[in-house]
Amino acid sequence: KAGVTQTPRYLIKTRGQQVTLSCSPISGHRSVSWYQQTPGQGLQFLFEYFSETQRNKGNFPGRFSGRQFSNSRSEMNVSTLELGDSALYLCASTQRMSSYNEQFFGPGTRLTVL
Amino acid sequence: GQQVMQIPQYQHVQEGEDFTTYCNSSTTLSNIQWYKQRPGGHPVFLIQLVKSGEVKKQKRLTFQFGEAKKNSSLHITATQTTDVGTYFCALSNQGGKLIFGQGTELSVKP
Repeated sequence: KAGVTQTPRYLIKTRGQQVTLSCSPISGHRSVSWYQQTPGQGLQFLFEYFSETQRNKGNFPGRFSGRQFSNSRSEMNVSTLELGDSALYLCASTQRMSSYNEQFFGPGTRLTVL
Repeated sequence: GQQVMQIPQYQHVQEGEDFTTYCNSSTTLSNIQWYKQRPGGHPVFLIQLVKSGEVKKQKRLTFQFGEAKKNSSLHITATQTTDVGTYFCALSNQGGKLIFGQGTELSVKP
């Protein structure tokens, strides 16, 4: 099976712009979660989508949003970018079984905000 | 919300020495997962522990879940340069949400 793929791998934006990141989960996985990784805050959960519905949400401002399509592919959007949004954005997919939730991470999108 | 505290933040060892990272919570955990992230890479799942007092081994890696399910540890015997990376514990909560510890960055000097 192909792994989780994320596009683009690298992105440079300026403050005030918006950005859309894409994630394709492993075939058959219906849950996609997004994480932000920074040196200062570590790995922080953004949100999870399952069957096109947001099931969990982390403590991020409303500028961060996402969606999931019927083929389980997911996108996240960050509007009005701030310097502090520079980070590695990781998505992870899982089959979301009740007692075992091994997550498979993609390579990430490295976002730099200037 | 639930949090997991992980120590130490950094560990520098000589190749062949042992390494241990600890994960602690003030509340009872339903389960704990461990991930490894190589420099420049992404987190890769290592294991999940669910039962009180559970001990699992993967070659030189030994994972433990405390009796009270409030702490966990990862021990590597005789480290190798291939063990370099950051090790994270994570609480699997509400399906697809992981709450990560701060991670322990392991460097191994040949």
